[in-house]
Amino acid sequence: DTEVTQTPKHLVMGMTNKKSLKCEQHMGHRAMYWYKQKAKKPPELMFVYSYEKLSINESVPSRFSPECPNSSLLNLHLHALQPEDSALYLCASSQDMVTSGEDTQYFGPGTRLTVL
Amino acid sequence: AQTVTQSQPEMSVQEAETVTLSCTYDTSESDYYLFWYKQPPSRQMILVIRQEAYKQQNATENRFSVNFQKAAKSFSLKISDSQLGDAAMYFCAYRDGGSNYKLTFGKGTLLTVNP
Repeated sequence: DTEVTQTPKHLVMGMTNKKSLKCEQHMGHRAMYWYKQKAKKPPELMFVYSYEKLSINESVPSRFSPECPNSSLLNLHLHALQPEDSALYLCASSQDMVTSGEDTQYFGPGTRLTVL
Repeated sequence: AQTVTQSQPEMSVQEAETVTLSCTYDTSESDYYLFWYKQPPSRQMILVIRQEAYKQQNATENRFSVNFQKAAKSFSLKISDSQLGDAAMYFCAYRDGGSNYKLTFGKGTLLTVNP
């Protein structure tokens, strides 16, 4: 089973709202990722968690706040977003980010976020 | 820095025909992995095929196969017997062997399958 699930599928929020995106995987993966994807563009890496610790932050604005409550869950808390933050937010997971080798990232279906 | 180039923004193919999507990359590493991901309009990015640079044999997954030319730094995807469900955006991606997290994506090729 290579399933990564994400909720909600769609989210509309105002610039003053606080909302959260959720990602879950049950593959025993120890690395989890958040990506932002604009229409017809490749995904852009935002954050990487390894063994529940934040390992990589690709200079993402603080209005995006990731959280990894346990090895299966990854959240992205949103606050005071801008209209330009409207995008598809993808979660991914992989075995881990320490061991090199035939590791592959598996993606969830994404959350389509619209900021009004 | 590694770069991945997909020179065909859009491609189309007739159902049951064969199509080849191009990908070239630039790296100074000898140990790396290459991927093709498919993203249908339903949005989920799905792994199509993976190639390890140290393997000379081209990877194959059912109707999908790659032509990996290491010296030329080329990694094209061939889809045989195209089906309507193959219509999607296809992304070529590169990862260093020593780095599990950094995927470098190409800009994508939008494939249309005509009935």
